[in-house]
Amino acid sequence: RKEVEQDPGPFNVPEGATVAFNCTYSNSASQSFFWYRQDCRKEPKLLMSVYSSGNEDGRFTAQLNRASQYISLLIRDSKLSDSATYLCVVNGDSARQLTFGSGTQLTVLP
Amino acid sequence: GAVVSQHPSWVICKSGTSVKIECRSLDFQATTMFWYRQFPKQSLMLMATSNEGSKATYEQGVEKDKFLINHASLTLSTLTVTSAHPEDSSFYICSAESPRVYEQYFGPGTRLTVT
Repeated sequence: RKEVEQDPGPFNVPEGATVAFNCTYSNSASQSFFWYRQDCRKEPKLLMSVYSSGNEDGRFTAQLNRASQYISLLIRDSKLSDSATYLCVVNGDSARQLTFGSGTQLTVLP
Repeated sequence: GAVVSQHPSWVICKSGTSVKIECRSLDFQATTMFWYRQFPKQSLMLMATSNEGSKATYEQGVEKDKFLINHASLTLSTLTVTSAHPEDSSFYICSAESPRVYEQYFGPGTRLTVT
């Protein structure tokens, strides 16, 4: 079983749509959770950290369910510029090492 | 945000040669840097953790004699792919750990093609 699992997609949605991505992780000792976005042939960039209480940053909302070892990302009012691959990232056995999911590809259509 | 650079951004080399990739933290000191590799349509895989002034820690399955890591200063880590083979062709990305714990900043990556 992969340490971090994501639905690879692709998700093709119209502009303005709401889209949700899910992620599960296997290491119950993980303490830090993140969503990164990666554009084609570029490095990943931190989108947001995910906190137990859930957190929101503009159109983006992240949720964490530790009991189910499940993380989600909700994007509201999708923009064309949101098209990218979204990576679910969890810290591993070492608190400072990150384990990446394989990513979920999103394409926002005009 | 913090800036991390990598050089070169892309490189093509012949099988059997060695290639050195540099990772620099430009506006902060990083005692720890990480090296990742990403094959097409796959996730980033951690190769090794590079610690300033000490030996790197390699992940299982990564040959330390093939992927030489040197972290000689607080702002520079290098990865040398020795005796490169076509299967080493990949996107190599470094990250530097910022003074804020658990926060890593990624370099723009180096695309290596071995012919």
